[in-house]
Amino acid sequence: KAGVTQTPRYLIKTRGQQVTLSCSPISGHRSVSWYQQTPGQGLQFLFEYFSETQRNKGNFPGRFSGRQFSNSRSEMNVSTLELGDSALYLCASSPGQGNNSPLHFGNGTRLTVT
Amino acid sequence: AQSVTQLGSHVSVSEGALVLLRCNYSSSVPPYLFWYVQYPNQGLQLLLKYTSAATLVKGINGFEAEFKKSETSFHLTKPSAHMSDAAEYFCAVSDRSASGYSTLTFGKGTMLLVSP
Repeated sequence: KAGVTQTPRYLIKTRGQQVTLSCSPISGHRSVSWYQQTPGQGLQFLFEYFSETQRNKGNFPGRFSGRQFSNSRSEMNVSTLELGDSALYLCASSPGQGNNSPLHFGNGTRLTVT
Repeated sequence: AQSVTQLGSHVSVSEGALVLLRCNYSSSVPPYLFWYVQYPNQGLQLLLKYTSAATLVKGINGFEAEFKKSETSFHLTKPSAHMSDAAEYFCAVSDRSASGYSTLTFGKGTMLLVSP
């Protein structure tokens, strides 16, 4: 079974631009979560989607948004990029039932904002 | 909200020595706890999870963790370190949000360094 796939692996953007990151979950997984990882803040939860609906949201500004499609693939968008948005963005999928389902992570998208 | 504290941002051991990575959680209800490992330029990989079935949990690559409710701890151990164990390790707790659904809250991570 293929794992979680994130594209692209690396991105370089300029302040003020917007960016879209893509995530394909493990086949059969209906929940997709997004995390931001930085050296200073560690892993911070962005949001979670389940069956095309946002089920959970972390404490990030409205510039960060996401969506999920009917095939469970997910995208996240960051508008008006700031230098502080430079981070590794990790997507994770799970079957979605119960709170003991472990997350399966992709290898992430490394975003650099200059 | 539940939280996780990992003591020590860096732990150094010699190859063949015992590995002990510390994790304490705060939870008002019985928690679901996880350990993940992250190798350079990769995502997180599940090592093991605690779901109340047994207090001693065995995971992959020879790692295990013991849940101690009285100490609110879930420390990760491995009897003999291998060079390939060098990585960053994250402890996580399942946290139920205001929406009623769960998310994982991660500790800050501990970088394990293994010297020959």
